Amino acid sequence: DAGITQSPRYKITETGRQVTLMCHQTWSHSYMFWYRQDLGHGLRLIYYSAAADITDKGEVPDGYVVSRSKTENFPLTLESATRSQTSVYFCASIGGGTGELFFGEGSRLTVL
Amino acid sequence: GQNIDQPTEMTATEGAIVQINCTYQTSGFNGLFWYQQHAGEAPTFLSYNVLDGLEEKGRFSSFLSRSKGYSYLLLKELQMKDSASYLCAVRDDKIIFGKGTRLHILP
Repeated sequence: DAGITQSPRYKITETGRQVTLMCHQTWSHSYMFWYRQDLGHGLRLIYYSAAADITDKGEVPDGYVVSRSKTENFPLTLESATRSQTSVYFCASIGGGTGELFFGEGSRLTVL
Repeated sequence: GQNIDQPTEMTATEGAIVQINCTYQTSGFNGLFWYQQHAGEAPTFLSYNVLDGLEEKGRFSSFLSRSKGYSYLLLKELQMKDSASYLCAVRDDKIIFGKGTRLHILP
């Protein structure tokens, strides 16, 4: 199906483990973004990518790694998860004439 | 740096009109978004303003003044389903969001 999909939708892990959140979009949008959303903070930008093989830091990049080897995929990796990374993570992409930023459904991550 | 401010919470009555303001200070500007987000869901697109002025889309309108670093979202004929958070975001290269305004609608 066309759109932007995230997986897993729900994940529970332990402190120190590596976790990868996947994001896939079918539109060939150039720009993709990762946000985290916590109560009292709104949506905060972690990393973004302007095209394949081009990534850049956002507001809160520490503890996260991204890659963009293909235009349609933008995985986010927590190399050693911490409790403070418990959050809801949203992937988004932008393109088209309306300039609309399309969001995935979100991935809820709990780090114990 | 970038700074985007919007009120934390607002309350309005069903059937009324409410205006949610957003002010921003950014190093660059390519456009301003408004999104609606219900609890537990992903944000949904409302508007994207690039040029100054008012854009109307049904019950929702969005205004932009680039010289003042100011935008507002106007919601008319409020309905209970409009109870949600409203997010303002600015694009230069990246897209940065404000903390959102939680709107409560009273019957």
